[in-house]
Amino acid sequence: GAVVSQHPSRVICKSGTSVKIECRSLDFQATTMFWYRQFPKQSLMLMATSNEGSKATYEQGVEKDKFLINHASLTLSTLTVTSAHPEDSSFYICSARGQGRGGQPQHFGDGTRLSIL
Amino acid sequence: AQKITQTQPGMFVQEKEAVTLDCTYDTSDQSYGLFWYKQPSSGEMIFLIYQGSYDEQNATEGRYSLNFQKARKSANLVISASQLGDSAMYFCAMREPYYGGSQGNLIFGKGTKLSVKP
Repeated sequence: GAVVSQHPSRVICKSGTSVKIECRSLDFQATTMFWYRQFPKQSLMLMATSNEGSKATYEQGVEKDKFLINHASLTLSTLTVTSAHPEDSSFYICSARGQGRGGQPQHFGDGTRLSIL
Repeated sequence: AQKITQTQPGMFVQEKEAVTLDCTYDTSDQSYGLFWYKQPSSGEMIFLIYQGSYDEQNATEGRYSLNFQKARKSANLVISASQLGDSAMYFCAMREPYYGGSQGNLIFGKGTKLSVKP
């Protein structure tokens, strides 16, 4: 089946550091990628949607300058948390969807646990 | 606006028994898709099953089946012959329509934590 690789799986870093998370579709072309944030014991909240070669669409309340998203190719999207602070600590998970619609599910990466000290 | 409701924060089931996880949804669209995902404690989201609004038959995938009642706007997940490895969070989700600025994103319910007892 379709595989989405997300890296790194866990990051621990100091406050003020910028952290880049990669999301790759390994066996299909991901025209659309989604970035979610999940707090403990809560559901997934969409942060932004990215399409290859165009600017990301951010959800209301998500700071564009804080969470930089780049979708430079059909197989790679990156999320950069700039100048991270402890409140940015969370579980970030990406998903990718190939061409076509209907019942095609989103395939998720394994997530990144970000801890800012 | 679309909405997914999962009213069971937690469920317990005995190993080898069947369990039903509830999901109701709200939408004004005629065409929509419903999904169930499993999230173990490790965090990954595992796709389980899909039901399209125009599908006449309930979806089934191995031990998973979806009890789709369109008039009631419910899409309950049924897991038969529960196994210890089924212990996880289960999320019901609906795909947003492909218009009005949306790109078919998934809207998730709050999830149900299933615990399978030996």
